[in-house]
Amino acid sequence: EAGVTQSPTHLIKTRGQQATLRCSPISGHTSVYWYQQALGLGLQFLLWYDEGEERNRGNFPPRFSGRQFPNYSSELNVNALELEDSALYLCASSLASWSTEAFFGQGTRLTVV
Amino acid sequence: AQSVTQLGSHVSVSEGALVLLRCNYSSSVPPYLFWYVQYPNQGLQLLLKYTSAATLVKGINGFEAEFKKSETSFHLTKPSAHMSDAAEYFCAVSDLGYGGSQGNLIFGKGTKLSVKP
Repeated sequence: EAGVTQSPTHLIKTRGQQATLRCSPISGHTSVYWYQQALGLGLQFLLWYDEGEERNRGNFPPRFSGRQFPNYSSELNVNALELEDSALYLCASSLASWSTEAFFGQGTRLTVV
Repeated sequence: AQSVTQLGSHVSVSEGALVLLRCNYSSSVPPYLFWYVQYPNQGLQLLLKYTSAATLVKGINGFEAEFKKSETSFHLTKPSAHMSDAAEYFCAVSDLGYGGSQGNLIFGKGTKLSVKP
């Protein structure tokens, strides 16, 4: 069974541009979570989607947004990129919103220059 | 609000020695607690989880953790370290099991484990 897959693995963007990161959850999983892992800041919760709806978001500005598609895959969009957005972005999925276990993808390394 | 504190950003042990990684949590409801491991340039892998059943939880790769409510702790241990255990370890808390609205894990800052030959 395929795990959580994220694309691309690496992404280099210029300050001010937009970045789009993609996540495919494990088959049958309806909840998708996005986390940012920036150097020195640890893992910070970004967004939670379940059944196509945004259920919760972390303490990030509105230029971080996303969506979940009918097939439960998800996109994370970061507009007006800033240098400090450089980080590893991790996606996780769980069977349902009440599940106690989340499975993580390998991440997308975003570098803003 | 929930929070997790991991004591020690870096722990170094010799191969064969006891591994002890400390985690203390704060939660207003009975928590679900997790330990994840991250190898370089990889995502996170679940080591073990506490979901209000047995207080001593056994995980993969010989790791275990004990939930101590009186100490609000969930320390991770392994009797004998292997070189392959070198990685970063994250403790996390969630109130998801009690209808919490967060729907997310709150992570500690992580502890990097080094294993010396």
